[in-house]
Amino acid sequence: NAGVTQTPKFQVLKTGQSMTLQCAQDMNHEYMSWYRQDPGMGLRLIHYSVGAGITDQGEVPNGYNVSRSTTEDFPLRLLSAAPSQTSVYFCASSLVPNTEAFFGQGTRLTVV
Amino acid sequence: GQQVMQIPQYQHVQEGEDFTTYCNSSTTLSNIQWYKQRPGGHPVFLIQLVKSGEVKKQKRLTFQFGEAKKNSSLHITATQTTDVGTYFCAPPAGGSSNTGKLIFGQGTTLQVKP
Repeated sequence: NAGVTQTPKFQVLKTGQSMTLQCAQDMNHEYMSWYRQDPGMGLRLIHYSVGAGITDQGEVPNGYNVSRSTTEDFPLRLLSAAPSQTSVYFCASSLVPNTEAFFGQGTRLTVV
Repeated sequence: GQQVMQIPQYQHVQEGEDFTTYCNSSTTLSNIQWYKQRPGGHPVFLIQLVKSGEVKKQKRLTFQFGEAKKNSSLHITATQTTDVGTYFCAPPAGGSSNTGKLIFGQGTTLQVKP
């Protein structure tokens, strides 16, 4: 099994550009989430989903959109990139909420 | 709102010394998870604690959940260079399991001198 796969691994954007970070899991997990990690701030929850068709906001949702059309995929869209969105983004999944979370390898995003 | 504090933020130890990181919550927790992130890597699940006063061991790692379920600790005995990384506690948002959201502490970064 591949587990949680994130693409791309690295990305450089110009301010104002939009892009989608991809996340896919092959473990049939219901719960998926997106975090951003900034130095000294741990991981902060952006958006999460408890199943296909259901999404909700986390701690820092502004500037990001998500959708969950299938159990496997949970893409994160940056609508208009800003330098403040420079960060490392992690996608995670778990079988049900509040159980072991499996993380992807991360996407390192730089907005210039 | 809920606050999760992890201390210390950084710890440098000589190989063979012990290490402890503490996680304190402003709210009572139904459970707490611990993760380890190696430099340049992604968080990896270590353990979940559920019961008041619970103590669990994984080889040289000892995890404890406080009696009041508002704090937790991770102790590593006789550190090795393979223990290098950042250790995060992750309780559920709001303290309970209902939301399904995990809140991560700021992490404790451990450096081990060989």
